[in-house]
Amino acid sequence: EAQVTQNPRYLITVTGKKLTVTCSQNMNHEYMSWYRQDPGLGLRQIYYSMNVEVTDKGDVPEGYKVSRKEKRNFPLILESPSPNQTSLYFCASRAGGALETQYFGPGTRLLVL
Amino acid sequence: AQKITQTQPGMFVQEKEAVTLDCTYDTSDPSYGLFWYKQPSSGEMIFLIYQGSYDQQNATEGRYSLNFQKARKSANLVISASQLGDSAMYFCAMRGSGYSTLTFGKGTMLLVSP
Repeated sequence: EAQVTQNPRYLITVTGKKLTVTCSQNMNHEYMSWYRQDPGLGLRQIYYSMNVEVTDKGDVPEGYKVSRKEKRNFPLILESPSPNQTSLYFCASRAGGALETQYFGPGTRLLVL
Repeated sequence: AQKITQTQPGMFVQEKEAVTLDCTYDTSDPSYGLFWYKQPSSGEMIFLIYQGSYDQQNATEGRYSLNFQKARKSANLVISASQLGDSAMYFCAMRGSGYSTLTFGKGTMLLVSP
């Protein structure tokens, strides 16, 4: 089954404790992205990657890191989480064409205390 | 810049009725794609339907159809024969061919009553 997977689905952590949210897709997609969704602000792109070893900042990159060492994986790293990073996070992927449909993972609910 | 506007914060519809969710967009890109996603209370984002700016016909996918009016810059989602399981948040989104970002509207909450 074609899908985007994320882990963990739910995470409660404390300020300053480094964490990684994994993302993997099995559709051989070139593009992968991370979004966060917050009430009243909608979905905002954090980082995206156009292919292996090629990443770029989205609209809200501060406090996040990403890497793309393999085509299928695109982990999101929070080196020192803060409470304002409490949010619902989505990983997404799409094929390389500019107008291709983007498919989302199931989401990760993060609470930073 | 890209912008999506969904003016209906919430909509109510009775089961088996049709409902239209509004979406207007703005872009300077001549080539773009318009997407609708459904987000149920469980949180996942489910792709529903896609319309390309150069597509001659309105897109349809089962009970979903997209009423695309290019001159008015609108891309309304029509759900025919609503079902209780259609209760969810619905997002309109777009991406121009010159952009990497998918720009989302604020969403419309649809509630289907028996």
